[in-house]
Amino acid sequence: GAGVSQSPSNKVTEKGKDVELRCDPISGHTALYWYRQRLGQGLEFLIYFQGNSAPDKSGLPSDRFSAERTGESVSTLTIQRTQQEDSAVYLCASTEQGNQPQHFGDGTRLSIL
Amino acid sequence: AQSVTQPDIHITVSEGASLELRCNYSYGATPYLFWYVQSPGQGLQLLLKYFSGDTLVQGIKGFEAEFKRSQSSFNLRKPSVHWSDAAEYFCAVNLGAAGNKLTFGGGTRVLVKP
Repeated sequence: GAGVSQSPSNKVTEKGKDVELRCDPISGHTALYWYRQRLGQGLEFLIYFQGNSAPDKSGLPSDRFSAERTGESVSTLTIQRTQQEDSAVYLCASTEQGNQPQHFGDGTRLSIL
Repeated sequence: AQSVTQPDIHITVSEGASLELRCNYSYGATPYLFWYVQSPGQGLQLLLKYFSGDTLVQGIKGFEAEFKRSQSSFNLRKPSVHWSDAAEYFCAVNLGAAGNKLTFGGGTRVLVKP
């Protein structure tokens, strides 16, 4: 597709379960970002991938959060042992190299019961 | 600490009236500046950006923003709002350094009265 694709669009799970969120960036975009948006708030940076460089994980809130990306393709964000405070919309963005504007997906709305 | 502030959480404006959304940042250097709009249940769409040069930038959907270095501000304006402009608006910055990660303000929700 032409835009950033995220799946699933909605995820409801029980506290303590693991979840995996997927992001498919725009073809050719070397940089990929994950953000979290809690209800009524702005976006918080989580993690950044740029090509084959080591990812910038400085925004991950705890060791329950991890993300992977193979080359310049799909990325997965994994949350282990989910807690209710993990409930949020998780947004993925991609961009070309440099400081070009980021293009966002529609997000995954995660609800922890 | 580096931060982005959007002082207005909610703004209600009548259709056809003008709109101004405030954004202030706190950084040592001039960052790259962005405004994004988010409609319910959707991702963020870029309205406009400022990197350098002319401090008045034009964006999509009739929006413009003015960068004022002396005030560390990047306010968004539209002369005449349409009902479809009802959404949440986010100001964001990055320092242009490696990483390009965005720091967002808390957002301003715009309601448009008929």
